[in-house]
Formats: sequence, structure tokens, C-alpha cells
Amino acid sequence: LAKTTQPISMDSYEGQEVNITCSHNNIATNDYITWYQQFPSQGPRFIIQGYKTKVTNEVASLFIPADRKSSTLSLPRVSLSDTAVYYCLVGDDYYKLSFGAGTTVTVRA
Amino acid sequence: DTAVSQTPKYLVTQMGNDKSIKCEQNLGHDTMYWYKQDSKKFLKIMFSYNNKELIINETVPNRFSPKSPDKAHLNLHINSLELGDSAVYFCASSQGMRDGVDEQYFGPGTRLTVT
Repeated sequence: LAKTTQPISMDSYEGQEVNITCSHNNIATNDYITWYQQFPSQGPRFIIQGYKTKVTNEVASLFIPADRKSSTLSLPRVSLSDTAVYYCLVGDDYYKLSFGAGTTVTVRA
Repeated sequence: DTAVSQTPKYLVTQMGNDKSIKCEQNLGHDTMYWYKQDSKKFLKIMFSYNNKELIINETVPNRFSPKSPDKAHLNLHINSLELGDSAVYFCASSQGMRDGVDEQYFGPGTRLTVT
């Protein structure tokens, strides 16, 4: 299983871009990189998933370098409602994965 | 409409009791999961169930057993509850890769407190 390392916490201000980097040095060929968001007292919510290069959707972008040993989740122009825990997962099947402690992002006014 | 629902939302019980948590998904997904989130917020997978195939995380005590009466339900039964079972339990479902994305949908969670 690919072990992931991400910062425990990050602070930001409204309107700024937040970039969270996840390290996964032993990522396997078949592994995807997936990010989830969790608000207090709620279940995690899917944000984005990618295999290589760059993936963008309506809420975030995911940057994956060629060696795939790390990835960066980019949240553009965050608001107070983006305060949450963000989890980086690496694998090819959910039954093999655990979410870890994630990165607590705090957005301040 | 709620995609993945769990009942009850809160469950307080005493050590030694047997309890169940119900989960239903109306997404037509083939795979359902149970996760445990402890006080440190680590979210660990317990079970995965797909087309009658059950995959069990080896660290889960055999006091925990999932039961699937049909494709839309995966209930969690816990026997002989212990203090350490206190946590938030999440149910989730997924359909596998679709349009290049494999996304899990989570329920709202059940907070279990064992006294």
C-alpha cells in the first residue's frame, strides 16, 4: 500500500488559493490519487481524482508531476466554508485504503 | 433525496450489549463499505461488500459483522460491545470507475458511545 504524508494543518484567508501537497513515494503503477473533504459531524465528500498531470473540476485542481511521487490539491479563492479536513488517498481500490489523519485547513476572514 | 442514509444517528449503550447500525443507499451502487472514525479522526475501513463478496480488514474484531439483505443495504452488527468501540461509524457506497472517476458517497455517520 502506498503510504501518504500530508501536513497536519494549514491556515489561510478568504480569497486566497490553498495548496495542499501529499507525498506518496511508493505509489504503484495502478494507483489513483483521490482527495476527500470532511466537515465536522459529516461524512467525507469526494473532491477530485487523478492519475497523472493535471485534473480540474468545478471545485479544485489536482497537480501530479511526472514521477507521481507527490500531488498537490489546489483550492482556488477559498471561503470560510472551505474550512474542513482534507484527505489524500492513493490506491487502486477503496477496500485497501484508510484515510489517515488528513490536513485540517482553517480559513479565516 | 438522501443518497446514503444511516440509522440511528446517535447510539448510546452499555458494555456487553449487542447493537446494529443500518445503512441504505439509493444510488444503485454495487459496492458498500463500513468505516470507523476514532477520536483522533483517523478514518479506517472495516468492510467492503460487493456482489456477495465480503472483504474484511484483518484488524476488525470478529464481534463486528456486516449483513446485506439486498444490494441497497449493508447493516453493521456489533456483539459484546466494548468501551473501545466508541467512535463514529460511516457507511459508504461506490459504483467503481465511471467517466474516469471512482467516487465514494458517504452517509452522515452514527456516533456510538459505549458506557
